[in-house]
Parts: sequence; C-alpha cells; structure tokens
Amino acid sequence: AQSVTQLDSHVSVSEGTPVLLRCNYSSSYSPSLFWYVQHPNKGLQLLLKYTSAATLVKGINGFEAEFKKSETSFHLTKPSAHMSDAAEYFCVVSVRAAGNKLTFGGGTRVLVKP
Amino acid sequence: DSGVTQTPKHLITATGQRVTLRCSPRSGDLSVYWYQQSLDQGLQFLIQYYNGEERAKGNILERFSAQQFPDLHSELNLSSLELGDSALYFCASSVEGLAGALGNEQFFGPGTRLTVL
Repeated sequence: AQSVTQLDSHVSVSEGTPVLLRCNYSSSYSPSLFWYVQHPNKGLQLLLKYTSAATLVKGINGFEAEFKKSETSFHLTKPSAHMSDAAEYFCVVSVRAAGNKLTFGGGTRVLVKP
Repeated sequence: DSGVTQTPKHLITATGQRVTLRCSPRSGDLSVYWYQQSLDQGLQFLIQYYNGEERAKGNILERFSAQQFPDLHSELNLSSLELGDSALYFCASSVEGLAGALGNEQFFGPGTRLTVL
C-alpha cells in the first residue's frame, strides 16, 4: 500500500519570502506524485504532477517540486510567496499496481503574512 | 472554474435521513470520482465510475452508494446518516478511467458540504 506524510500541518511565511512544503511518500512501486491546492470554500486544483522524465517539476503560479527517490520525498517550493498563496496544499500519490487511486496526505495549511 | 458542477452546495439534515448529492463532470470526461473530506479522516477516495460502470472502490461505507447515468452525471446516495457523516463531499472528473495515471488529471468540483444534526 502507498502512503503520504506531509511533515507540517501549518506553515507561516511572510509575503515575498520562500515557501517550502515537505512531503514524504511510501510506495512499493514507482509512484505518480501530485500537488493539489485548495483555497477556502473551493475545490482542489492541480498545481503540478511528477513524470519520470524529469525530477524537477514546474507547475502553475511559480511552484515547483523535486522528486528525490533516495529520500522518498516530493517537496513543494516557491521562491516568493504571494498573499494569494494562502490555502491548503495536498501531496498525493498514486500507484498503477494499486489501481491508480489517489492517496492524499493530511494537508499543509499556508498562512501568508503581509 | 474547473467545469465540474456539484449540487447542492450545502445540505443540512438529521440523523437517520437519506440524501443525494449530484455531480456533473466536465464535458467529454467519462470518469467520475467521489471523495469525502472530514476533519478527522482528511481526504479519502470513495468510489469511481467510468462511462456508467463502477471502476474502483475506496473507503466507502455500505450505507453509501453511487451511480453514473447515461448522460455521465453521477449521484452519491448517503443513507441512515450519522453525525460522523458530516463532511465536504467532492466530485472529480477525468477523461479516462486510469485515476492516477500521468496525464489523466482529475478536475474537482466545489464540493457539497453536508451537515448532519
């Protein structure tokens, strides 16, 4: 079975400073990895997804994530936080051998201070 | 706007009752997925339908059922409701039936917030 651990339930950053959201996964097979964002009272939106072609993945709104197999990590970063980045972020894993169902991490709530 | 619609936005009901949540997928998407988001359980996959047929099942209770109709909209039926069923229920859709396959992105609706009193 696969699982995802988001290491921080809350992250607080100042506007204009870097953002780092940490995610570790566990899987017996090669995983597909995703980051989703959920703004208040909204559905989930895909930020980026990992393909085996490149370990550094660029997503929307300036976010990127790096897949590190040796560390089983898929941390999400952004060089400069914007007020509109305040939201909850979910790291997600899926494995073809497990029917490709999505397994979500517990979420990280990001607060951006002016 | 993802193109996925869900009705109603909010639903308040009593224990023991039955409710139906509705989802219309994006135009052209054949797969519909249902998820439950609660404070204690987080986001959990419930069930997937592909072109009218059940494709995958997650942590869905026996009191819950779903179906996908010929026009591809889907309904999630929740019966004998308990306080613990209070949650945000999301529907998502994708083009194909491989839920987490790369390139088969899931598009989420805004959710239905269910409150059981």
